[in-house]
Order: sequence, then structure tokens, then C-alpha cells
Amino acid sequence: AQSVTQPDIHITVSEGASLELRCNYSYGATPYLFWYVQSPGQGLQLLLKYFSGDTLVQGIKGFEAEFKRSQSSFNLRKPSVHWSDAAEYFCAVGAREYGNKLVFGAGTILRVKS
Amino acid sequence: DVKVTQSSRYLVKRTGEKVFLECVQDMDHENMFWYRQDPGLGLRLIYFSYDVKMKEKGDIPEGYSVSREKKERFSLILESASTNQTSMYLCASAPGGVSDTQYFGPGTRLTVL
Repeated sequence: AQSVTQPDIHITVSEGASLELRCNYSYGATPYLFWYVQSPGQGLQLLLKYFSGDTLVQGIKGFEAEFKRSQSSFNLRKPSVHWSDAAEYFCAVGAREYGNKLVFGAGTILRVKS
Repeated sequence: DVKVTQSSRYLVKRTGEKVFLECVQDMDHENMFWYRQDPGLGLRLIYFSYDVKMKEKGDIPEGYSVSREKKERFSLILESASTNQTSMYLCASAPGGVSDTQYFGPGTRLTVL
């Protein structure tokens, strides 16, 4: 069965420090990979997505993610975190073979220390 | 800008009541989705619809039904609300296939007493 794992439930980083949020997936098909962010009291917003080509993708708000097929991972990174990045981050995976739906990870809550 | 609106931000209902959650999108999207969000479980798909009057079960459809009579509107129905349906409900829409971005509404926090 398809599954998405975000191993870290909570992460705390200092403002200005670098960030990496982990995402691992198990899929029997070529995946489409997404990162969404949910700020407090709001719906989810797309940060970036990967389908094919360059395995390093750039997103909004200075985020990037790298697809590593050999590790079944799609980790999200940011070189310098801002206090406004405090939010919950969700990795999601889909594949045409499984229809027009995504499977989401459990989420990682990011806290930023000033 | 794509706009997905949900009828209520907060809703309190009693066990056994019939509950309607409404979602409207203004971008002529083909696909619409209902998710349930619970701490530590992420988002779980309840139902989705790929066309008017068409629907497919997601991963947790039990206790829920849906209706899509018009392209822009997708309703989630709890026929007889139970306390274990207390949750955050998120609606989303997308233009087409699985590779398309899903656009989310702000959510409805439902409490069933």
C-alpha cells in the first residue's frame, strides 16, 4: 500500500538557522511529490512539487526540496528560517496509477525560536 | 487567485444530528476533495469528485456521504453525527489530474457533543 512517512512530529530551530524536514514514501509507481504548508488557522498552501527532471526543485518562500529515488525521499530544506515559517508542513505523494488522489504524511510542526 | 470557501469555520452539533458541510470553488475545477485532519494523522481523504454527480470513496468514507450537484459546490454530509467525527474538515479543489496543485479552503472545525 502507498504510504508517506514524516519521521519528525515537531522540530524547533532558531531564527536564521537552516532547516531540513524529512519525507519518505513507499509507492509502487513513479510518484508525484508535493510539500504543502499550513499556517495557524489557515488551509494548506503548496510550497513546491516534483514530477520529473531536475531532482532539486525550488519553491515559494525560499524553500527547496530534493528527490532521491534511491532513498525514496523528498526532503524539504531552507537555508535560513524566518519566524514567519512557523507552521505545519505536509509531504504528499500521488501517482497516476492510483487515480487523482494524494496520500499525505502526518505532518511536521515547525517552531522557530527567536 | 483561486478561492475555496467553506460554509463555517466552527460548528458544534449533537450526537445523532445530520450535518452538512459546504464547499464552493470559483475556478471551474474538475476535481474536488474532502479531507479530515487529525493531530498525528495528517490529512485523510474521505471522498472526492471528478465531475458533477460523480464521486469516489477515499480512504475513510464510513459515516460520510457527499453530493455534487453543481460543478462549483461539493457537500459533505454526516448522516448521524458521532463524537468520533469531531475533527477539522478541509475541502480542496484541483483543475485536473493527480499532478495538479490542490487548493484548500480554510477548514471547518466540527465538534460533536
